[in-house]
Amino acid sequence: TQLLEQSPQFLSIQEGENLTVYCNSSSVFSSLQWYRQEPGEGPVLLVTVVTGGEVKKLKRLTFQFGDARKDSSLHITAAQTGDTGLYLCAGAGGNKLVFGAGTILRVKS
Amino acid sequence: DTGVSQDPRHKITKRGQNVTFRCDPISEHNRLYWYRQTLGQGPEFLTYFQNEAQLEKSRLLSDRFSAERPKGSFSTLEIQRTEQGDSAMYLCASSLKQGHSEKLFFGSGTQLSVL
Repeated sequence: TQLLEQSPQFLSIQEGENLTVYCNSSSVFSSLQWYRQEPGEGPVLLVTVVTGGEVKKLKRLTFQFGDARKDSSLHITAAQTGDTGLYLCAGAGGNKLVFGAGTILRVKS
Repeated sequence: DTGVSQDPRHKITKRGQNVTFRCDPISEHNRLYWYRQTLGQGPEFLTYFQNEAQLEKSRLLSDRFSAERPKGSFSTLEIQRTEQGDSAMYLCASSLKQGHSEKLFFGSGTQLSVL
């Protein structure tokens, strides 16, 4: 069974601070995705990383895929209140995506 | 709006009743997934279709659950004899797989409460 562990489970920070959340597994994934989910809505894809060591930037968000393709991180610079939400990582496992439990991020003004 | 549509958004039912949810995927997408999500957890895979064929079912999907995708378009998920443990958000997603990566588009989900 492929499991993805996300840490921390919950993060509360002030607007303007930087943060990093992590996604770790003992399994190798062909690709890994990050999603953001708001209450009462479905997850929305932010990025897909495919190559070990790959770094992708999306405005203030920086995503990194580990060299061994077992782990990933998401770094947010100068967080804004609009970044509040549940951040989920998901690994491609066979014909389906396997999701972690997520990190709940709360950015206070 | 041409996104994934789910109906109803909310369903409250009594234990033992049957419920059916509908998902309308993005029209050109050939894959359709059902996931279940409970509070504080990520989505858990239930089943998926490629066109009209149901290709994989999770062991989470007991015999009280059945899913269909007639004609490879919309899909329905039925839960018979609901139990309180079935209370969750049921998410549908569709995709058009290209190469090794796959981009899933999720609907807003159906929130089921079993009393």
